[in-house]
Amino acid sequence: GAVVSQHPSRVICKSGTSVKIECRSLDFQATTMFWYRQFPKQSLMLMATSNEGSKATYEQGVEKDKFLINHASLTLSTLTVTSAHPEDSSFYICSARRQNTEAFFGQGTRLTVV
Amino acid sequence: KNQVEQSPQSLIILEGKNCTLQCNYTVSPFSNLRWYKQDTGRGPVSLTIMTFSENTKSNGRYTATLDADTKQSSLHITASQLSDSASYICVVTHSGYSTLTFGKGTMLLVSP
Repeated sequence: GAVVSQHPSRVICKSGTSVKIECRSLDFQATTMFWYRQFPKQSLMLMATSNEGSKATYEQGVEKDKFLINHASLTLSTLTVTSAHPEDSSFYICSARRQNTEAFFGQGTRLTVV
Repeated sequence: KNQVEQSPQSLIILEGKNCTLQCNYTVSPFSNLRWYKQDTGRGPVSLTIMTFSENTKSNGRYTATLDADTKQSSLHITASQLSDSASYICVVTHSGYSTLTFGKGTMLLVSP
């Protein structure tokens, strides 16, 4: 199957700082990328959907100014958690898909804000 | 409202035993249904994908079934192994909009 690479896999940052997470589709062009957040023992929660070259569509309750999403190319999307707080500590996962095909998931990023 | 309901929420079985996980959905119109396995701290990995016309699909010890009339799917795991311990997630794609609706998952623990 197609490969989606997410980086970093783990990050610890201080409260108030910003953290950037990258999601790359390594062997296909991703027209759409999705960002999810997952708290312990809970299901994946969609945060936002981004299409290459356009603004991301955020789910209700997700602050777009706090979670900045950039999908500048067909192989790269980034999620920046700005002014991170301990409650932002979570597992963040991206997925990428070509037009009307299966979505493939990244390995996830464990964010810990101290 | 498009929903995906999974049961049971969690399950513990002995190594070597079989088990069946359930997924009911209300997503309409329906495009396809996928079962994913998610190990703790990892991203989901696709096990099977089924379209409207498919009733059964196997992937090794995993067999998925789909009844599009009753909007039910099941994932059967045969001869379970310790490495099968994970969360199993049912995901349904909405036709046309290509949106994905996730179930909350079934947490499976295979004990020795």
